[in-house]
Amino acid sequence: NAGVTQTPKFQVLKTGQSMTLQCAQDMNHEYMSWYRQDPGMGLRLIHYSVGAGITDQGEIPNGYNVSRSTTEDFPLRLLSAAPSQTSVYFCASRVTSGYNEQFFGPGTRLTVL
Amino acid sequence: GENVEQHPSTLSVQEGDSAVIKCTYSDSASNYFPWYKQELGKGPQLIIDIRSNVGEKKDQRIAVTLNKTAKHFSLHITETQPEDSAVYFCATQYQKVTFGIGTKLQVIP
Repeated sequence: NAGVTQTPKFQVLKTGQSMTLQCAQDMNHEYMSWYRQDPGMGLRLIHYSVGAGITDQGEIPNGYNVSRSTTEDFPLRLLSAAPSQTSVYFCASRVTSGYNEQFFGPGTRLTVL
Repeated sequence: GENVEQHPSTLSVQEGDSAVIKCTYSDSASNYFPWYKQELGKGPQLIIDIRSNVGEKKDQRIAVTLNKTAKHFSLHITETQPEDSAVYFCATQYQKVTFGIGTKLQVIP
């Protein structure tokens, strides 16, 4: 199993540009989520999905969109990038919501100029 | 919503000494408390977890304790080694996961 994969690893955008961060898992996990990691702030939940066709907002959803058309994929879209979205983004998955291990991808480092 | 406080934010210990990281949480309904280790340039990885019906859990050199009455839980690493150097996150988890801000542990050889 490849586990949780994310592409790209690094990305530089200009303010106002749009892009999609890709996330895929091959473990047949129902639950997937997106976090961003900023110094001194830990990991903050952006959006999550409890299964294909179902998404919900996390702690900081503004400026980000998600969709979940398949169990495997959970892309994160930035419609109009802002410098405040400069961060490291992690995708994660687990079997279901509840008490089970969450597996993280390797992260995408995004810089918005 | 849930709030998780973690301290210290940085911790330096000599190789072979013990390290302790402490967390408190606000939601008394929280029942599951995982700990993650993040090495440089990688995603976090689960190292140990504890459920609310257990007061302590050990796995080799690491242990976690939970005090539900006081709403705090701690990670203990004994006989630290250089490869323990990383950032450690505590969290509470049910449908959503709420993380502490992280502790950067440095083990000095």
